[in-house]
Parts: sequence; C-alpha cells; structure tokens
Amino acid sequence: DQQVKQNSPSLSVQEGRISILNCDYTNSMFDYFLWYKKYPAEGPTFLISISSIKDKNEDGRFTVFLNKSAKHLSLHIVPSQPGDSAVYFCAASRSASSGSARQLTFGSGTQLTVLP
Amino acid sequence: NAGVTQTPKFQVLKTGQSMTLQCAQDMNHNSMYWYRQDPGMGLRLIYYSASEGTTDKGEVPNGYNVSRLNKREFSLRLESAAPSQTSVYFCASSALSGSGYTFGSGTRLTVV
Repeated sequence: DQQVKQNSPSLSVQEGRISILNCDYTNSMFDYFLWYKKYPAEGPTFLISISSIKDKNEDGRFTVFLNKSAKHLSLHIVPSQPGDSAVYFCAASRSASSGSARQLTFGSGTQLTVLP
Repeated sequence: NAGVTQTPKFQVLKTGQSMTLQCAQDMNHNSMYWYRQDPGMGLRLIYYSASEGTTDKGEVPNGYNVSRLNKREFSLRLESAAPSQTSVYFCASSALSGSGYTFGSGTRLTVV
C-alpha cells in the first residue's frame, strides 16, 4: 500500500509558466514533508520542506503548499526554467521515538520537462 | 566536498554471486540509509541505521544485509544476487532529527 502517491508520472510546461506538482498521502501520522529533485545519474537533492504546523513554505521560485485535511501537498515552481527539468519526488516522515531515526517514505516521482 | 560517497558506480553480477556496496559520509551524521529505486516505484527503504551500532529493516529488506562499520560507513551486502535485485541503489545520511537526507550518487546494479 503506497502511503505517498504522485499520480502524474510526467508533466510538461512552457518556460516562464508555473509548474504544479502534486502529492497525496494516506498516513495521518506524517508530520513532515519534503520535495527532492533528481537529475539523471545523480542522487536526489533536497529542494524544500514543510512541517505539518504550516500550510505554506516558500523559497525563491519554489513554494510548497500543505492541505492536511485533504492529505495533499503541492510544489509550485514560478517561473519554470529549462534547468528545472528533472524528476521530482515527494517524501513524508513521522516523528521517531527517542534515539531512532526518521524514515522518509517517497512517492514514485514526477518527470518535469520545461520546454524552452 | 562534504557529502555521501558510494562505490562502485556500476556493477554487473551473475545470479548467485555476492557483493558489497560501500557508502561513506563525512558530515558527522548519526543516521544512514540504503534505498533502492525502481521504475514507477520511487525510492524504497531497504535498511537503515539510526546511529552507530544499530541497524533496522526497512520496507524491502529481504535478500540484503547491512553493516554499520563506524559512524562514517554503512555497507549493503547481497549474499546471493537475484535478477529482482537489479536496481539503482542509493545511500543517504541525516542528522538524528532526520529533517533532510543527503544522498550519494547511486550504484547501478544489474544482475543477469
């Protein structure tokens, strides 16, 4: 049972326009959410995160929105640039017991292509 | 540059062979992880180590073993490789709070 779902395997957007990537989760215990970007032949790199106590977090061109009641988060990229073309993974985690590690549960990813 | 280093980058194994994937981090992180990435499946956790001296199973541990050699190093061993273990393997590390992972560049493993 996938606890984190990215239902769109791919998305194409024109340069300069907004890219919106979506993610749904089922586990109500998740309290921290992250987006990672991955280029071919490289490891995922951290992009932006949001705690469940917030509903929005912004970092430059990237904004993550969290709707807890709908168990949905989205990543907005404005304006989109060709260099943003990559696979974007949504991830979620829950509080860990003392001395234990937070585990990230990942979605299946969305390939974003920004067309020049 | 500080980060997570994985070796080898590529490997081809025959069914039944064994191998160890190596991972080292120099960020003084307590926690380390091994994930595999398969098409349409995202990244799935194989094993993790919250801190030196501890290891725990993740979502897909069957067919793998791990060793947390010291704070810096966390290795993944395939005792008897199977074609189903063909995948890209990523090692990651984080502070104990786990607010964000740093990933290595991956090992592409093919089992024929």
